[in-house]
Parts: sequence; structure tokens; C-alpha cells
Amino acid sequence: RKEVEQDPGPFNVPEGATVAFNCTYSNSASQSFFWYRQDCRKEPKLLMSVYSSGNEDGRFTAQLNRASQYISLLIRDSKLSDSATYLCVVGVSNDYKLSFGAGTTVTVRA
Amino acid sequence: GAVVSQHPSWVICKSGTSVKIECRSLDFQATTMFWYRQFPKQSLMLMATSNEGSKATYEQGVEKDKFLINHASLTLSTLTVTSAHPEDSSFYICSARDPSGSYEQYFGPGTRLTVT
Repeated sequence: RKEVEQDPGPFNVPEGATVAFNCTYSNSASQSFFWYRQDCRKEPKLLMSVYSSGNEDGRFTAQLNRASQYISLLIRDSKLSDSATYLCVVGVSNDYKLSFGAGTTVTVRA
Repeated sequence: GAVVSQHPSWVICKSGTSVKIECRSLDFQATTMFWYRQFPKQSLMLMATSNEGSKATYEQGVEKDKFLINHASLTLSTLTVTSAHPEDSSFYICSARDPSGSYEQYFGPGTRLTVT
């Protein structure tokens, strides 16, 4: 079983729409959670960290459910520039390694 | 913010040759750097953890004699792909651990390696 699993999508949405997707993680000892954004042929860039209480950054809202071991990301009022692959990332071990999901592709159309 | 650079950004080499990729932290000291490989439409896969002044720790299934890692200073780690073969063609990305101690990692722009 993969450590981090994501729905690969793609999610094709019109501009202005709301899109949400989840990822699940297998290790209950996971300690840190992130959403990274990766554009085609580029490196991942941190979108936001995910906290137990949930957190919001502008149009982006992240939630963490430790009991069910899933993380969600919601994007409101989608922009064309939100088109990217969103990587769910989990930090587990004491050596600060990160486990990456395969990514969820979002395409926002005009 | 913390900036990590990688060089070269892309390289084409012939089968059997070796390629060295450099990863530098530009405005902070990185005691720990990580090397990843990403194949098309797949996730980043951790290859090894590079600690300054000590031997790298390789993930299961990664050949340490093929992927040589050197972390000789607090701002530079290098990955050398020895005797490269076409199946080594991939996107190699390095990252540096957040010096403040969090799990966050700062990624370099990646190196696209094509072995012909």
C-alpha cells in the first residue's frame, strides 16, 4: 500500500468554480502535512501547510482529519492560473523525510 | 525566502558516461539535503538523504555505487549518476531541509537528464 494516495483526476472545472479533493495517508504516526503545487516540468512549490484545526490561505482551504487519516484541499473561485498538479505530502519519521502522493491534476478552463 | 539552485537544468549524455548534478542552498546553510527522482506522471521518489560531512543514506532499491552523493559543505550537495543508461533518464530534484527545524523542504528547480 502506498504511503500517500491521491485521486489523480483530472478535475476539469470552469473559471470561478469550486474544486475539492482529498488524499489519504497510511501511517498514523505522520506528523506534518502539506500541499505542494507542481507545474509541468517544474519543481514542487509549497502551497500551504495543513494544521489539525484546518487552515485557510486566500482561496485555498486545507483540512486534516487524523482519525480517518485524510487531508483535503478546497479551491474557491478557481482561476486559470490554478491549473497544476497538487501534491499531498506527509512527513512521518524523525529523520524529516517526506512522502509524496502522485498528485491530483486540476485544469481550470475559461 | 530560502532558495535552492540546481545545475545543470538539463543534460543529455551518452550511455555509459557519468553526469554530475549540483545542488546549492543560496542563502542558508543546509545540513540535510534530499535527492529525488520523478518519472513522467509519477510521484517524487526519494533516492537518498544527504548529510553534510557524512555518508548519504540511500532508500531501499537505490544503488549507492551508481548514484554517488557528496555533501562536502553546508551549501553544496552533488549527485553523480555513474555509467548512465537510458532507464536513468528522469527528472532529478534536490531539496534542502528547512533550517528552522520544520519538515518543510525547499526544492531546487530540477535537472532533466536524458541518456541516449
